[in-house]
Amino acid sequence: AAGVIQSPRHLIKEKRETATLKCYPIPRHDTVYWYQQGPGQDPQFLISFYEKMQSDKGSIPDRFSAQQFSDYHSELNMSSLELGDSALYFCASSRTGNQPQHFGDGTRLSIL
Amino acid sequence: QKEVEQNSGPLSVPEGAIASLNCTYSDRGSQSFFWYRQYSGKSPELIMSIYSNGDKEDGRFTAQLNKASQYVSLLIRDSQPSDSATYLCAVINAGGTSYGKLTFGQGTILTVHP
Repeated sequence: AAGVIQSPRHLIKEKRETATLKCYPIPRHDTVYWYQQGPGQDPQFLISFYEKMQSDKGSIPDRFSAQQFSDYHSELNMSSLELGDSALYFCASSRTGNQPQHFGDGTRLSIL
Repeated sequence: QKEVEQNSGPLSVPEGAIASLNCTYSDRGSQSFFWYRQYSGKSPELIMSIYSNGDKEDGRFTAQLNKASQYVSLLIRDSQPSDSATYLCAVINAGGTSYGKLTFGQGTILTVHP
């Protein structure tokens, strides 16, 4: 079965640079979520989209923005990167807001 | 206090034993409950979902939900070394502005030793 696809798998950036993470949800899933997981921590919700509209917003810094496109893929844009942004970034998708979310393999972002 | 709390680990059980993982949540409006398994450096993998009071069984896994006590648990029967991972309890409160957002517990590290 098709899964959530994220790219890139690994990304190395320097402070103050920008990064774009991509997510392709499972076909026919209408909701996409972004989570950030620091070392030894549980995933923290960043933002979600339902039918291409932002549906909820969590602890996402103002330096980050995201959108969902007409083909349902989503991109997380991160600017003015800081050392503390180093983390695993997961995208998940589901059919509706209450259904199980399935996670992609994640993007490991390292800030030097 | 975290919205979702899991029993402190790590938890170590011998191969073939039953592993019991517990989770409590603070928001009575919570409606959907999930257990995820996460291997180190990997993504969370859905193990079980449960929405109503009682037990739900799937193979070696049984999830139990008690909304009155705001408690959800996961039992793993016949534990195998391959079950060694971090288990994350996750909750959705579908009301208000938190539609679909997963709130995770801090995770319980399970080690199954041969």
